[in-house]
Amino acid sequence: KAGVTQTPRYLIKTRGQQVTLSCSPISGHRSVSWYQQTPGQGLQFLFEYFSETQRNKGNFPGRFSGRQFSNSRSEMNVSTLELGDSALYLCASSLSSGDWYFGPGTRLTVL
Amino acid sequence: DAKTTQPPSMDCAEGRAANLPCNHSTISGNEYVYWYRQIHSQGPQYIIHGLKNNETNEMASLIITEDRKSSTLILPHATLRDTAVYYCIVRVVRNYGQNFVFGPGTRLSVLP
Repeated sequence: KAGVTQTPRYLIKTRGQQVTLSCSPISGHRSVSWYQQTPGQGLQFLFEYFSETQRNKGNFPGRFSGRQFSNSRSEMNVSTLELGDSALYLCASSLSSGDWYFGPGTRLTVL
Repeated sequence: DAKTTQPPSMDCAEGRAANLPCNHSTISGNEYVYWYRQIHSQGPQYIIHGLKNNETNEMASLIITEDRKSSTLILPHATLRDTAVYYCIVRVVRNYGQNFVFGPGTRLSVLP
């Protein structure tokens, strides 16, 4: 069974731009969550989706948004990029309330 | 969800057992203990989880004390590929709000 896939794997943007990251969960998984990882703050929860509905949200500004499609694929968007948004963005999927499986991440660099 | 305390780093000789401790003294009765690891620049990898009883799978064993205030992850025969940051997380398994709260973890270095 294929794991969680994230595209693109690497991305370079400039300040003020916006970016969209994509996540395809493991087949059959309906829950998707997103995390941001930076050297200074570690792994921080962004949001979680289940059946196209956001169920939980972390403490991030409104520039960070996400959505989930009917096929469980998810996207997250960051608008008006800042230098501090440079990070590894991780997506994870889960079958129900149990174990979460993480993708390889998208490394975003904001110049 | 309860907080956890882990040593920042540990070394282990290749082929020996690696015992990674985790303190979770404020754990509630319905909180599970989860272990994940993250090899450099990759996504975290699920290892094992448990509630009360000791658990074992093909990757590791999880030993939870009787009072549930601490646990130990055991990698029975550590290899160089086990070098990673190991995260101990305690959380309630709900039908909603499934986020993990990751601490800094333990950086395990397996030495040849």
